[in-house]
Amino acid sequence: AQSVAQPEDQVKVAEGNPLTVKCTYSVSGNPYLFWYVQYPNRGLQFLLKYITGDNLVKGSYGFEAEFNKSQTSFHLKKPSALVSDSALYFCAVRFETWQLTFGSGTQLTVLP
Amino acid sequence: EADIYQTPRYLVIGTGKKITLECSQTMGHDKMYWYQQDPGMELHLIHYSYGVNSTEKGDLSSESTVSRIRTEHFPLTLESARPSHTSQYLCASSDPGGNQPQHFGDGTRLSIL
Repeated sequence: AQSVAQPEDQVKVAEGNPLTVKCTYSVSGNPYLFWYVQYPNRGLQFLLKYITGDNLVKGSYGFEAEFNKSQTSFHLKKPSALVSDSALYFCAVRFETWQLTFGSGTQLTVLP
Repeated sequence: EADIYQTPRYLVIGTGKKITLECSQTMGHDKMYWYQQDPGMELHLIHYSYGVNSTEKGDLSSESTVSRIRTEHFPLTLESARPSHTSQYLCASSDPGGNQPQHFGDGTRLSIL
C-alpha cells in the first residue's frame, strides 16, 4: 500500500532564511507526488507536482521541491521564507490509482 | 484560484437535522471528491465520483451520502446530524489522469450541537 509521511508536525524559521518541509513516501515503482498549502479557513491550494523528468520541480510562490528516488523523499523548499508563507503544508502521493494519499501535514511558522 | 465553490461556509445546527452541503465546479471536471478534515489535521477521503451517476465510498467510513446528477454538482447529505459529524468538509475536483492535481473548495465547517 502506498503511504506518505511528514515527519515534522511543526517547522519554524526566521523570515529571510531558507525553509525545508520534509516528505517521504513508500510505494513500489514511480509515484506522482504533490505539495499543497492550506491557509486558515481555506481549502488546499496546489503548489507543485513531480511526474517525471528533472528532480527539481519549481512551483507557485517561489517554492520548489526535490525528488530523491533513492531516499524516497520529496522535500519542499524555498530559498527565502516570508511571513506570509506561514500555513499548513501537505504532501500527497498517487501511484497506480487515481486516489491521492495525503500526509498528516506540517505547520510552517515564519517568524518576523 | 480554481472555480470550485462550497456552501455554506459555516453551519451550526442541532442534532437530528437533515443537512446538505453543496459543492459546484465550473471546470467541467469528471472526478469529484469529498474529504473530512479535523482542524489542523490530515484529510480523509469519504466519497468520490468518476462522473455523472457514479458515486463510491472512500477510505473513511461516513454516515453521509452523495449524489452526482450533473457534472458540475456533487452535494453531500447527512440525514440526521450528530455531534460526531462536527468537522470540516472539503470538496475537490480534477481532470482525468494520474498527473492532474485536485482543485479544492474552501470547505464547510460544520458544528452539530
